[in-house]
Amino acid sequence: DAGVIQSPRHEVTEMGQEVTLRCKPISGHDYLFWYRQTMMRGLELLIYFNNNVPIDDSGMPEDRFSAKMPNASFSTLKIQPSEPRDSAVYFCASSGDRGGLADEQYFGPGTRLTVT
Amino acid sequence: AQSVTQPDIHITVSEGASLELRCNYSYGATPYLFWYVQSPGQGLQLLLKYFSGDTLVQGIKGFEAEFKRSQSSFNLRKPSVHWSDAAEYFCAVARSGTASKLTFGTGTRLQVTL
Repeated sequence: DAGVIQSPRHEVTEMGQEVTLRCKPISGHDYLFWYRQTMMRGLELLIYFNNNVPIDDSGMPEDRFSAKMPNASFSTLKIQPSEPRDSAVYFCASSGDRGGLADEQYFGPGTRLTVT
Repeated sequence: AQSVTQPDIHITVSEGASLELRCNYSYGATPYLFWYVQSPGQGLQLLLKYFSGDTLVQGIKGFEAEFKRSQSSFNLRKPSVHWSDAAEYFCAVARSGTASKLTFGTGTRLQVTL
């Protein structure tokens, strides 16, 4: 198995630009998670999906952030417009189903976003 | 809501020495507990997990952890550290019944001296 795949690995953009981060979960996994990692706030859960449906987006910082999962093998996290404080490493993770509940999570390598 | 405390920000050990990384959690019921490791520039890799049953859990790379309900702790141990174990280690907790909403500790950075 290739594991969770994220692209791009690095993204540098200017303030005000739209940024789209992509994730391909492990095949067969029903849950997909987006996290953000910063020095100040550590690892934070932004949103997670179950069977392509957003279940909890309470961690999404503001309306500039949006996430979609159009099918079981692809998800995007979009920031529009981007700001310097969005600079962070964004991780995608996926997990299988454990009796109707989420199992352990497997993380992708992350996307390092720098907004100048 | 659950929370996790990793009291040690940075630990240095000599190669071959034993290791214990501390983790304390706050949760009203029996939680699901995890240890992840992150090497520089990499994602997080699951070392081990506790859902229920035996309170001593074995993981990959020779790591183990013990769940102690009375102390609200889930400390990570390794009897003999290798230089390749240098990384950042994260303890995480989820409410029982699902591993969906993980709350992570702030991490402990392990340095290994030769």
